Amino acid sequence: QKEVEQNSGPLSVPEGAIASLNCTYSDRGSQSFFWYRQYSGKSPELIMFIYSNGDKEDGRFTAQLNKASQYVSLLIRDSQPSDSATYLCAVNPPNQGGKLIFGQGTELSVKP
Amino acid sequence: GAGVSQTPSNKVTEKGKYVELRCDPISGHTALYWYRQSLGQGPEFLIYFQGTGAADDSGLPNDRFFAVRPEGSVSTLKIQRTERGDSAVYLCASSPGIAADTQYFGPGTRLTVL
Repeated sequence: QKEVEQNSGPLSVPEGAIASLNCTYSDRGSQSFFWYRQYSGKSPELIMFIYSNGDKEDGRFTAQLNKASQYVSLLIRDSQPSDSATYLCAVNPPNQGGKLIFGQGTELSVKP
Repeated sequence: GAGVSQTPSNKVTEKGKYVELRCDPISGHTALYWYRQSLGQGPEFLIYFQGTGAADDSGLPNDRFFAVRPEGSVSTLKIQRTERGDSAVYLCASSPGIAADTQYFGPGTRLTVL
């Protein structure tokens, strides 16, 4: 079992729709969870991080965490073509400093 | 202000050669991380430094890989006897401390081993 798993996609949504990206992780002791966006040929860019169970909203983005189910998700409301990118879920394992374990990423395509 | 910079942006080498990849972190950032990203995959952790010391090198694939950060700022990732399987984008990130929430990535070095 991979430490962090994501559906590779591609996920295709129409402009204006809600995009839902999902991630599961294996280390139950993990406390910190991150979503990065990566445009083709570019480096990852941090969108959000979440530490507590529940929802965390920032503009059009909402991160959701359920530690009991070892599940974290990212919702993008009012999706725009400029949101088309690969979204990487990352987990900070317990007691390992700032080390991040990434999933393989989900490719999102927003169609005009 | 200036972000994380990496040089070179592209490196093509022949199998068996030695390469060095450089990372300049954001000024004042004490933690520095190296990751490797293969096509279609997420970044894979290699090593991280807190100051001058390697706090965790558990991700280095084998003893051909080595990294240094002698003055607690610039870091160099060194790969000996390169193999075709080493071809990837090597990403560097830095953060003010060891907290993962403020980790900023550089543009990466694309390494191609022929």
